[in-house]
Amino acid sequence: QQPVQSPQAVILREGEDAVINCSSSKALYSVHWYRQKHGEAPVFLMILLKGGEQKGHEKISASFNEKKQQSSLYLTASQLSYSGTYFCGTANYGQNFVFGPGTRLSVLP
Amino acid sequence: DAGITQSPRHKVTETGTPVTLRCHQTENHRYMYWYRQDPGHGLRLIHYSYGVKDTDKGEVSDGYSVSRSKTEDFLLTLESATSSQTSVYFCAIGATRDPGEQYFGPGTRLTVT
Repeated sequence: QQPVQSPQAVILREGEDAVINCSSSKALYSVHWYRQKHGEAPVFLMILLKGGEQKGHEKISASFNEKKQQSSLYLTASQLSYSGTYFCGTANYGQNFVFGPGTRLSVLP
Repeated sequence: DAGITQSPRHKVTETGTPVTLRCHQTENHRYMYWYRQDPGHGLRLIHYSYGVKDTDKGEVSDGYSVSRSKTEDFLLTLESATSSQTSVYFCAIGATRDPGEQYFGPGTRLTVT
């Protein structure tokens, strides 16, 4: 029941925007987003809960569409420091928390 | 940064030998998790704990066992290491359930030859 992430990889220039999508085949009650830089541990970015509660981080925001069982992460005016692999994690009712395969983001000067 | 450490950070071992990885936290968080990370698979949950002596299996628990005798320590044991268990292992901690924010340790790179 691993969630699906798209795109698998994205390359953009500093200052450009990006959207990363995460979808599940099962009903979700929360979606989490993490960022991992090469050779480092994943770092928590935000959690979105059923019912609309949302937390933000810098110029990164996210949406959670419960009916479509999907979430999108929005990176605005990308900075070089945004480079890394972004993972969504999903919590389905009665099942273990599961991470997606990741989306590799490269921000070029 | 959350106070979470892992030991050892790197280990090379031979097939068939037992291996124990340690995760230590100073945050007094109730929840602790062990993940493995492999190219193309992302992070996969091995086992998790929701309190002292309370543990449960994750997605890829076969070949692994865990123990938690103290709040601060969560041990992952490979009873008889196999080459398929070559991976990077991350420990994570969390204060709230179902699950909440997780804070990851630096990881242990394990190579089974």
